[in-house]
Amino acid sequence: ETGVTQTPRHLVMGMTNKKSLKCEQHLGHNAMYWYKQSAKKPLELMFVYSLEERVENNSVPSRFSPECPNSSHLFLHLHTLQPEDSALYLCASSQDPRENTGELFFGEGSRLTVL
Amino acid sequence: AQSVTQLGSHVSVSEGALVLLRCNYSSSVPPYLFWYVQYPNQGLQLLLKYTTGATLVKGINGFEAEFKKSETSFHLTKPSAHMSDAAEYFCAVSDRHGNNRLAFGKGNQVVVIP
Repeated sequence: ETGVTQTPRHLVMGMTNKKSLKCEQHLGHNAMYWYKQSAKKPLELMFVYSLEERVENNSVPSRFSPECPNSSHLFLHLHTLQPEDSALYLCASSQDPRENTGELFFGEGSRLTVL
Repeated sequence: AQSVTQLGSHVSVSEGALVLLRCNYSSSVPPYLFWYVQYPNQGLQLLLKYTTGATLVKGINGFEAEFKKSETSFHLTKPSAHMSDAAEYFCAVSDRHGNNRLAFGKGNQVVVIP
């Protein structure tokens, strides 16, 4: 099992669809993150979960809804997206943020295209 | 709030030549500094990091970076580029206040010319 696994790797959806991105980590970490990677822009931190509690939400539109049922799984539920939401969505995990090693372990990303 | 600046989105280097990627940071507290690499169709992978101690940090694949507080810089170098170094490189900074909130730069796309 690789460290952080994301599915699906590619997703095409219409603006009225509902879909979900899934992330699973096998590293024993207890913090998980969603990042958005768009061309020519810095990575944007969307959500942070620490010990299954959401600790950060960076003003992300409500059409993105995260869910963290346990420390190994993280979902991003998508609903009524816009074409500008097309991007690579990266999941990451880390040890307890309070230890602040600063090292994140990333999945390979889910490439989302909104038509 | 912390931030990093990476100039020049695309960097071309000849195979065997020096790789130099510049990173300047802004932080109100002593920072932790990182370089991550992203190969095509993959996620980000840690190359190296500076937390405390020696200011010259060695990472994987022959890369190294030097923390220079006076210049607020953390430039990444490799003496001799290899074709396999073609990737996107991101500099990142976090503070030391007990969180993993990394602020990333825009990245440098490195192209290696045979």
